[in-house]
Amino acid sequence: SQELEQSPQSLIVQEGKNLTINCTSSKTLYGLYWYKQKYGEGLIFLMMLQKGGEEKSHEKITAKLDEKKQQSSLHITASQPSHAGIYLCGAGYYNTDKLIFGTGTRLQVFP
Amino acid sequence: DTAVSQTPKYLVTQMGNDKSIKCEQNLGHDTMYWYKQDSKKFLKIMFSYNNKELIINETVPNRFSPKSPDKAHLNLHINSLELGDSAVYFCASSQSGTAGANVLTFGAGSRLTVL
Repeated sequence: SQELEQSPQSLIVQEGKNLTINCTSSKTLYGLYWYKQKYGEGLIFLMMLQKGGEEKSHEKITAKLDEKKQQSSLHITASQPSHAGIYLCGAGYYNTDKLIFGTGTRLQVFP
Repeated sequence: DTAVSQTPKYLVTQMGNDKSIKCEQNLGHDTMYWYKQDSKKFLKIMFSYNNKELIINETVPNRFSPKSPDKAHLNLHINSLELGDSAVYFCASSQSGTAGANVLTFGAGSRLTVL
């Protein structure tokens, strides 16, 4: 099993709808990072969360880190076709230098 | 203008060949990485270098050899290519010792297809 699981694996929504993507870690996180990948491109950094209970927003995207620092959610309000892509959470853990990525969520938004 | 650039973007080759992918960053970062993304879009770290020194070396076959001539460059050489090496390889960089040490800037990826 993966250290970092995302759900759902895939999401198809109609434009204007809200949606949530979850990221769950098997152990306590040092930090949680959300990235977005468009087809044929590299990953773009969205947000970083480090404190339990922390919440950050950028335009219509809000990310939260739960108090125990083992789960994060990414919420998109009033989705648009430009939100389509693959969303990946990345986790930093104590006593390790590497960033582990989740299993990814493929989002499609249709008009 | 490109922050992290990888070449080539596409690479199609025969099994058994040797190939290299190059990566350069102009962000002044001291840490560079190679990640492999498989067909299911799962992204896994392969190597990480900090100031030209190898700091992360995951369980990667020794046919893969990274080389960092300076902190702005990290190349990946692959010997005796196998079908399972087909994937998209991403280079990334970051600055260590900061709150954003895990905020990686990624290149656009190099899609390797082994026939």
